[in-house]
Amino acid sequence: VQLVESGGGVVRPGRSLRLSCAASGFSFSSYGMHWVRQAPGKGLEWVAVIWYDGSKIYYGDSVKGRFTISRDNSKNTVYLQMNRLRAEDTAVYYCASWVRYHDCAMGSWGPGTLVSVSS
Amino acid sequence: QSALTQPPSASGSPGQSVTISCTGVNSDIGAYNYVSWYQQRPGKAPKLIIYEDSTRPSGVPDRFSGSKSGNTASLSVSGLQADDEADYYCSLSTGSNDFVLFGGGTKLTVL
Repeated sequence: VQLVESGGGVVRPGRSLRLSCAASGFSFSSYGMHWVRQAPGKGLEWVAVIWYDGSKIYYGDSVKGRFTISRDNSKNTVYLQMNRLRAEDTAVYYCASWVRYHDCAMGSWGPGTLVSVSS
Repeated sequence: QSALTQPPSASGSPGQSVTISCTGVNSDIGAYNYVSWYQQRPGKAPKLIIYEDSTRPSGVPDRFSGSKSGNTASLSVSGLQADDEADYYCSLSTGSNDFVLFGGGTKLTVL
């Protein structure tokens, strides 16, 4: 299993950014996916989850209405569209795959991509 | 503020055992099915070490074990090794809004 995030960088408050997570080594279309973030020196914060087929999606309260998770099973990729970014969104963003088809524990993680929101 | 409470730190000497607790706020650990645990070494991505309360993924040493009683889950590490020094997070899924909860993390120091 390999997950690789991309799309991070420095962005001004109020602007948008789209993260991608490319998956390989497993049957991507059979597994749900999460985005999890970690602010500098802080703990883990769950961001969003999408079912294997996109049929269910949930968001953390701090990003609801601003972030959108989606996936393209033909490209083995999950996305996180981040709009109206705030300084408090600064964090390393990880994508993670479900450990099993029906178990949403985070079985595999990517190395993360850093998003820095600053004026 | 995390909905799952972990002690901020824990420690033990090489070869000793240590247990890290994870307590829910609103009977959530007792109400929901599964607790998972993650190990995060400095500068690295988290790694799943326990899921479904007590199941170890392939490759995780049996020195790591998980359990649950009432509204508290526990991670036990026996035969402590220097390599076990890391941050440990508990987590559970609520199955609905605020789908995943994490604990605040416990920094394990091997003395």
